[in-house]
Amino acid sequence: KQEVTQIPAALSVPEGENLVLNCSFTDSAIYNLQWFRQDPGKGLTSLLLIQSSQREQTSGRLNASLDKSSGRSTLYIAASQPGDSATYLCAVTSFKAAGNKLTFGGGTRVLVKP
Amino acid sequence: ETGVTQSPTHLIKTRGQQVTLRCSSQSGHNTVSWYQQALGQGPQFIFQYYREEENGRGNFPPRFSGLQFPNYSSELNVNALELDDSALYLCASSFYDSDTQYFGPGTRLTVL
Repeated sequence: KQEVTQIPAALSVPEGENLVLNCSFTDSAIYNLQWFRQDPGKGLTSLLLIQSSQREQTSGRLNASLDKSSGRSTLYIAASQPGDSATYLCAVTSFKAAGNKLTFGGGTRVLVKP
Repeated sequence: ETGVTQSPTHLIKTRGQQVTLRCSSQSGHNTVSWYQQALGQGPQFIFQYYREEENGRGNFPPRFSGLQFPNYSSELNVNALELDDSALYLCASSFYDSDTQYFGPGTRLTVL
């Protein structure tokens, strides 16, 4: 059974610092891994999707790496801004998962202080 | 092109009651997935519907059931509500086997 863990559960940084968010998963037989952003009480916005054959993906200030063999992914957010304050969730799709379901971690709640 | 919409936004029910939540998928998407997100936790997969049939189910009891209609919209029904059913219910639509799912804003259910 796939389990996804995110550490730390919460993170507070001053504006301008780089953010490093960690995600680990127990079964390396994944199809892809995604990072989502969730604002309080809202739905999820997809940030980056990494296929199992890829090592990283970049979009603007965001960079996500994937090490499938060790079951880890890291999301880097450069030069953080107060608008980056949100909960960040990682999710994996396992090969042959029923219904192409996403298995989520518990999220990291980020606060960027001005 | 409209995004994924859900109704109602908020809902308050009492234990033992039944509830129906609704989801309209993004235009053209034929697959809808439902997730339950308890406060402070990540979403958990409930089930997925494709072509009006259930296509995968998570670890939820049978009192959680669903429907998908010919226009690909979907309903989530929960019978015999329990306090632990209080959560944000999210639906996501996609093309079948697509990597990308688009999430709606969710329905916040409170069970008293």
